[in-house]
Amino acid sequence: QVQLQESGPGLVKPSQTLSLTCTVSGGSISSGDYYWSWIRQPPGKGLEWIGYIYYSGSTYYNPSLKSRVTISVDTSKNQFSLKLSSVTAADTAVYYCAGSYGSGSYDYWGQGTLVTVSS
Amino acid sequence: EIVLTQSPGTLSLSPGERATLSCRASQSVSSSYLAWYQQKPGQAPRLLIYGASSRATGIPDRFSGSGSGTDFTLTISRLAPEDFAVYYCQQYGSSPFTFGPGTKVDIK
Repeated sequence: QVQLQESGPGLVKPSQTLSLTCTVSGGSISSGDYYWSWIRQPPGKGLEWIGYIYYSGSTYYNPSLKSRVTISVDTSKNQFSLKLSSVTAADTAVYYCAGSYGSGSYDYWGQGTLVTVSS
Repeated sequence: EIVLTQSPGTLSLSPGERATLSCRASQSVSSSYLAWYQQKPGQAPRLLIYGASSRATGIPDRFSGSGSGTDFTLTISRLAPEDFAVYYCQQYGSSPFTFGPGTKVDIK
């Protein structure tokens, strides 16, 4: 059973870069046909899809965040990562990493990590 | 970008009643790539339905999905106490993938 776990700072200052890592266990991150994604949820609000990295290495980002987002993979550590630059208070949210086999519906989710943007 | 609209915003029902949740897309969702998730407070979403009508592993058969094109429905045949939660639809037929704003099912 694939399990995901987010890690990273819970507090980031405005204008800085938010960096999170998702560790995948129970399966190889580079085995075929997985979409590895980041999804966020501001407090009390709905879900916002940030983007994915496909097992082949190709990426797709939400156009609303594209200029600030990078998703990458470290196969040696079985991890994938999110970097979001120039953050503001509007980026305060619970950030989830999620995995989908073959399609884009998310079978696997991390528990989520709250990132607060504040000075 | 495909925009998803969910209705109603809140559904107040009693245990044992039938719940019908709607998800409407601004354009056709290709190959019925439409999923439904359940989220409880403090928890990550849980996949219920994928491909518009296929139940995910371990999901009780009181949950069913239907629809195609731009109109989709999640039905809970008889609400169990643990079903009171927020439900989101998501399309993954075209990038960017998008979520609906959610329907809260609460106890009447």
